[in-house]
Amino acid sequence: EPEVTQTPSHQVTQMGQEVILRCVPISNHLYFYWYRQILGQKVEFLVSFYNNEISEKSEIFDDQFSVERPDGSNFTLKIRSTKLEDSAMYFCASSIADKYLPLHFGNGTRLTVT
Amino acid sequence: SQELEQSPQSLIVQEGKNLTINCTSSKTLYGLYWYKQKYGEGLIFLMMLQKGGEEKSHEKITAKLDEKKQQSSLHITASQPSHAGIYLCGAERIQGAQKLVFGQGTRLTINP
Repeated sequence: EPEVTQTPSHQVTQMGQEVILRCVPISNHLYFYWYRQILGQKVEFLVSFYNNEISEKSEIFDDQFSVERPDGSNFTLKIRSTKLEDSAMYFCASSIADKYLPLHFGNGTRLTVT
Repeated sequence: SQELEQSPQSLIVQEGKNLTINCTSSKTLYGLYWYKQKYGEGLIFLMMLQKGGEEKSHEKITAKLDEKKQQSSLHITASQPSHAGIYLCGAERIQGAQKLVFGQGTRLTINP
C-alpha cells in the first residue's frame, strides 16, 4: 500500500540553525500538509499546500516557516532559525482531494532543538 | 474554536474485553476521522464518518457518529494486544476544510 515517507526520522539541531524536513507524499495525491505534535500535546495543523501554493496556514506557521515542492515528488518544511519551542514531532500528510479526506500521515520527524 | 474532547484519556483493559472511546464536540462535526498512533510513529487512518447516525466497522473496530453530529464513539470488540496504542479523533473545523482539529488522544493498554 502506498505510504507517505519522511526523512530524517530524527533531527537534532542547535537553536538558531536552519532545518529542512523532507517528505515524499503518496504519488497521486494533490494536497499536502504539515502537522506537528509537541510532546504530550495535541496534533496541530501547520499548513496545507495545493497547486504549488499555500492554501491555508495556522498562526503557528509564521515567517520562520516555509514549504516547498521542489520537484514532482518531494514536499519540504523549512524552519529558518529554530527555537527551543520548535522541538516537536513533525508529520507530513497528503490527501487525494480536498473533500472526503482522509489524510495519510507519514511516521514523522522528531525535531530536537538544543 | 472547535475543540474535541476525548474520554477517557487512558484506558487499561484485559485482553478479550470490549471497550469504548468517546469523542465530543460542542459544535457540529462536518467530518469525523479516527486515527491510531503507536508511540513515536505516525497516525494510521482507521475510519471516516460524515453523516449523522453513520456507523462503520473494520474488523473488530466500530465507529459511530451520533445523529446530531457532535459525538462519535469508537468501540473495540474482544480486544487484542495489537489494539494497543493512542486513538485520536480528528474533525473538519468547518465544512469542506482541508485541515483537521484533533482531540488529545486516548491511550489504550491491553493487558494479557
